Order: sequence, then structure tokens, then C-alpha cells
Amino acid sequence: LAKTTQPISMDSYEGQEVNITCSHNNIATNDYITWYQQFPSQGPRFIIQGYKTKVTNEVASLFIPADRKSSTLSLPRVSLSDTAVYYCLFLNRDDKIIFGKGTRLHILP
Amino acid sequence: DTEVTQTPKHLVMGMTNKKSLKCEQHMGHRAMYWYKQKAKKPPELMFVYSYEKLSINESVPSRFSPECPNSSLLNLHLHALQPEDSALYLCASSPWGASSGNTIYFGEGSWLTVV
Repeated sequence: LAKTTQPISMDSYEGQEVNITCSHNNIATNDYITWYQQFPSQGPRFIIQGYKTKVTNEVASLFIPADRKSSTLSLPRVSLSDTAVYYCLFLNRDDKIIFGKGTRLHILP
Repeated sequence: DTEVTQTPKHLVMGMTNKKSLKCEQHMGHRAMYWYKQKAKKPPELMFVYSYEKLSINESVPSRFSPECPNSSLLNLHLHALQPEDSALYLCASSPWGASSGNTIYFGEGSWLTVV
């Protein structure tokens, strides 16, 4: 099963761009990289998903290099409300969706 | 509507009680999941139902008993739990299992306290 490694925590300031990188050396051909956000006492919320290159939606961008051994979630101009835990994980055919330890992002005023 | 509804939001039960957690989705999803999450830890996969059949049991103790009465409902029956089972229990669903390109939707969770 593919394993992910993320920084345990990050601090940033309001208005900054935040990049969170996830390493996944043994990603499989069929794995899609997916990022979730979780606030305290709430269920994880889907942010973005990609397979390769760059994906952008209204809240984030996801950068995946050609070897797919890492991915970077980019949050533009963060606000205090972006303080949360961010998880990268894989979706593939075996139905096992395993969460890594996640990154605790703390946005400071 | 991308909603997974879990009830109750909070549950306190004694170690000899029998209770159930319920999960419902009306998105036509064919895979449903139970996760357990302790404070400041990531969610841990417990069970996966695919097309109403149990496809994955992550060696969960038998005091947790899942049930999928139909494609929209998922229950988690609880019996003889221990205080260390106190946690946030998350239900999730996805259109056709954790296949490539799928999206998993989570409910807000049920907080369980075992006393």
C-alpha cells in the first residue's frame, strides 16, 4: 500500500501562499492523489484531486511532477479560516483509503 | 447534493449498552465506509461496503458490527464497548468504490463516549 509523508505542522500568515508537499515514493500507476481538509470536530472535506501535472480549482492548485513521487498542494492567499489539518492520500482500485498523519496548518494574523 | 448524514451527532453509552450509529446518503453511491478517529490522529479505516457487501474489515473487534440494509444506509452496531473506543466515528461514501478518479464524501461524524 502506498505510503505518504507530509510535514507534521506548518505556520503561515494571512494573505500568504502556502505550499504543502506530500512524498509518496511508491505510488502506483492507478493511484490518484487526493487532498482533504479537516477542521476540528468535523469530517474531512475534499479539496482537490489529480493524476499528473497541474490541477486548479476555486480553492487550491495541485502540482504533480512527472515522476509522481511527490505532490504539492498550493493554497493562495490564506486566511485564518484555513487553519486546519490537510491530508494527502490515494484513491485506487482496492477500496482502501488510508490517511497519513496529515499536516497541521496554523495561519497567523 | 453531496451530503452524507450521520446520526446521532453525540452518543454516550455504558459498557453494557447496545447502540447503533447510522449513516445515510442519497447520491446513489455504491461504496460506503466507516472510519474511527481519535483526537489529534488521522482517521483509521474500519469497514468498507461495496455494492452492499462487506469488502473490507480492517481487523475490527467484533463489538463493532457493521450493517448495510440498502445502498443508501450504513449502520454501525455497538455492543460491550470499552472506554478506549470513545472517538469520532466517520461515515463516507463514494460513487463506485475507491477507484481512480473517484471522490470520497465524508459525513460530519458521530461523537461516541463510552463510560
